[in-house]
Amino acid sequence: QKEVEQDPGPLSVPEGAIVSLNCTYSNSAFQYFMWYRQYSRKGPELLMYTYSSGNKEDGRFTAQVDKSSKYISLFIRDSQPSDSATYLCAMLLQGAQKLVFGQGTRLTINP
Amino acid sequence: GAGVSQSPSNKVTEKGKDVELRCDPISGHTALYWYRQRLGQGLEFLIYFQGNSAPDKSGLPSDRFSAERTGESVSTLTIQRTQQEDSAVYLCASSPRRAVEQFFGPGTRLTVL
Repeated sequence: QKEVEQDPGPLSVPEGAIVSLNCTYSNSAFQYFMWYRQYSRKGPELLMYTYSSGNKEDGRFTAQVDKSSKYISLFIRDSQPSDSATYLCAMLLQGAQKLVFGQGTRLTINP
Repeated sequence: GAGVSQSPSNKVTEKGKDVELRCDPISGHTALYWYRQRLGQGLEFLIYFQGNSAPDKSGLPSDRFSAERTGESVSTLTIQRTQQEDSAVYLCASSPRRAVEQFFGPGTRLTVL
């Protein structure tokens, strides 16, 4: 079993829809929870991260962490074609530097 | 300012040959990381450098893989006697000391024929 599980999709939604992306994990010691966006043939770029449990909002993006369920989510409101990319969740232990990634979900927003 | 740069962007090699991949981190970033991304997969950690400390090599998949870093600048990842299963995108990232965010380069796409 992988430490971090993420549905690879692909996921295709119409422009303006609310998108929900999710990951589950097995290591309860993870403390930092990240979402990276990766465009085709580019390196990943950090969208946002959360420390421990709770929600964090940044514009159209909201990240949620539920440590009791070992489940994290990224919501994208008013999705745009420019949001089409692969979204990777990643996690980090306190004091560690090695990111543990999910497989990535390929998202397409259709105009 | 300039981001993380990697070279070459693409590398095609024959099975059994050695390859060297280069990473130039963001100036002033003391930490440097190498990851591997196989087609349709997430990133796998390979190795981590922090300043002059001994590197964390725990992710290197075999002794055919090695990496070096000159001080707090350039790093090279070397794969000896390449195998077809080494085909992947090799990504380098850097970060300031003790920072959570890692800044990624565009990667080197390695194809082993």
